[in-house]
Formats: sequence, structure tokens, C-alpha cells
Amino acid sequence: GQQLNQSPQSMFIQEGEDVSMNCTSSSIFNTWLWYKQDPGEGPVLLIALYKAGELTSNGRLTAQFGITRKDSFLNISASIPSDVGIYFCAGSIAGSYQLTFGKGTKLSVIP
Amino acid sequence: SAVISQKPSRDICQRGTSLTIQCQVDSQVTMMFWYRQQPGQSLTLIATANQGSEATYESGFVIDKFPISRPNLTFSTLTVSNMSPEDSSIYLCSVVGQGARTYEQYFGPGTRLTVT
Repeated sequence: GQQLNQSPQSMFIQEGEDVSMNCTSSSIFNTWLWYKQDPGEGPVLLIALYKAGELTSNGRLTAQFGITRKDSFLNISASIPSDVGIYFCAGSIAGSYQLTFGKGTKLSVIP
Repeated sequence: SAVISQKPSRDICQRGTSLTIQCQVDSQVTMMFWYRQQPGQSLTLIATANQGSEATYESGFVIDKFPISRPNLTFSTLTVSNMSPEDSSIYLCSVVGQGARTYEQYFGPGTRLTVT
């Protein structure tokens, strides 16, 4: 089956810094999704990407669908304490509703 | 997006018992899924809950252990049967979006299960 490699596994950053994380796959995906999960809660969808090369923003968050269709990137600008949490990438192949998830990036923000 | 609720939010159960988790959506949805998230891990798809027919299970998950019902387009249940400590996880239901958002999934708050 498909596998997603998400990196880094964890990050410690100072408040105000920018953050970058990425996911790579051995398979071509048609959809890339980025989620944030806070402790004790379900994942919340941040950004959805549907086209190779697509760049989409949601506030301070920007995500890109890689041109090879095998990777995606998420950037967070000017981090704040509430950005703390675990960020997951997820992808689906053509014609499928099933998602494959990355292992997550745990973000810690130092005030 | 749809509002999804799960019951119970958490439970502590003894080994050998069973727990049924409910997932309720505030609007009709075509597809619902059940996931397991083991402590500190990512999400793993258990099965697709099909309305009016048997659920479709992923490799490594079987109906006898995780029976699923979906009697209508707004409700589904997942039962964790004959529990062992290894079943301690967060169980999440998700639904697909509507229209152009069909390939997006939205998650419930999860059920945190501890088996002693």
C-alpha cells in the first residue's frame, strides 16, 4: 500500500519563527490534505490540495502540492503559541476516498 | 462542514468486555469511516461504513473484532469486541465532504479507550 514519509518528526521553535514541514510518497497522489490535531481532539482539516503545483493559503498557513504529485509542503509563518500541536499530512490516490496518513510532525512553540 | 459527535468521549474498560462507540452527523453524508489512533501514533483506517450493507475492512481488521453498523446516512457505530490492553487507542469516525469537497474528510472528536 501507499506510504507517506513526513518530516521532521518534531520541531521546537521560537515564537515568531517560520515553520516548514513536508511529506513524500512512493506513489502518485491526487489529493493532499493537511490536518492539525490538538491533544484530546480529532484532527482538524487545515488545507486541501487537488492539483500538481497548486499553492494554497489559509491565514498564516501555506501548503503546496508538489509538481511530481509525490510530495507536499506546509509552511507556517510567524508562529504563535496556539500553533502547538501535531500536524498530519494525508493523501489519496485517483478515484479513492481512502486517506493514507503521515506519522505526524509535533510542533512546540517556545514563547 | 458537517458537525460530528461521538459517544462516549472516553471510557475505561476491563479486558474481555466490549464497547460500542457511536458517531452522529448533523447532515446526511455518503461515506463514513472509522480510524484507530494508537498512543503517540498516526491514524490507521479500520473500515468504511457502508449504509445498508456490510462494512469494508482494511487489512488487519476483521468484522468479528470490530463490527460496524450504519443504519442510515447520519449514524454509525463501531464495536470493539473482546478487548485487550492492545486495543487502548483513540477511535475516530470521519465523513467525506459534500460537492467539490468530496475528497476531504472531517473527523469527530474521538473516543479515548483505555483497556485494563
